[in-house]
Amino acid sequence: DVKVTQSSRYLVKRTGEKVFLECVQDMDHENMFWYRQDPGLGLRLIYFSYDVKMKEKGDIPEGYSVSREKKERFSLILESASTNQTSMYLCASIQTGTGAQVQYFGAGTRLSVL
Amino acid sequence: GDSVTQMEGPVTLSEEAFLTINCTYTATGYPSLFWYVQYPGEGLQLLLKATKADDKGSNKGFEATYRKETTSFHLEKGSVQVSDSAVYFCALTPTQGGSEKLVFGKGTKLTVNP
Repeated sequence: DVKVTQSSRYLVKRTGEKVFLECVQDMDHENMFWYRQDPGLGLRLIYFSYDVKMKEKGDIPEGYSVSREKKERFSLILESASTNQTSMYLCASIQTGTGAQVQYFGAGTRLSVL
Repeated sequence: GDSVTQMEGPVTLSEEAFLTINCTYTATGYPSLFWYVQYPGEGLQLLLKATKADDKGSNKGFEATYRKETTSFHLEKGSVQVSDSAVYFCALTPTQGGSEKLVFGKGTKLTVNP
């Protein structure tokens, strides 16, 4: 069975802390994504990676960075957490190729920054 | 750029009622279209998809038809159940391969009452 695992379901951090959100997929997928989900705004793409050590900015990369040292793992980093980064964070992965490929999502990490 | 517009919720129905959630898109070329569903406390999962004009995607009693002439992909179900309560997202991915990025609508929350 396909699996995307996010390391934490809930996190509470303080303003200014450095925060790491981890995501692991077991499907040998090349592409991985980080989204944030906010009420009334839907899902917005923060960063994505199409290969190890490769990354591209999404629609809202400010305040975030990412790391992909191994194919199965994609980390989202909040260098200095702020209250406006309180949100639900979703990781997804997909295999490249032709046709309508399906993205597989983790269960999400709900981050609260106090 | 590409975009997806779906009807705003929340939508509240009684069990066995008919459901329609409207979705229209703007895209160049021939995108693939998707409906994803997010049950409470979970990540997103694919509900159905369609890859070309006049294709009908179907799953769990839900259906949506890819209408190129009206740039629409409306979600329908003839008789909803309490277990269908969730947030539904319409999404597209561009025709050309590559990053396989998804563009999401803002989501529609459905509540089905017994």
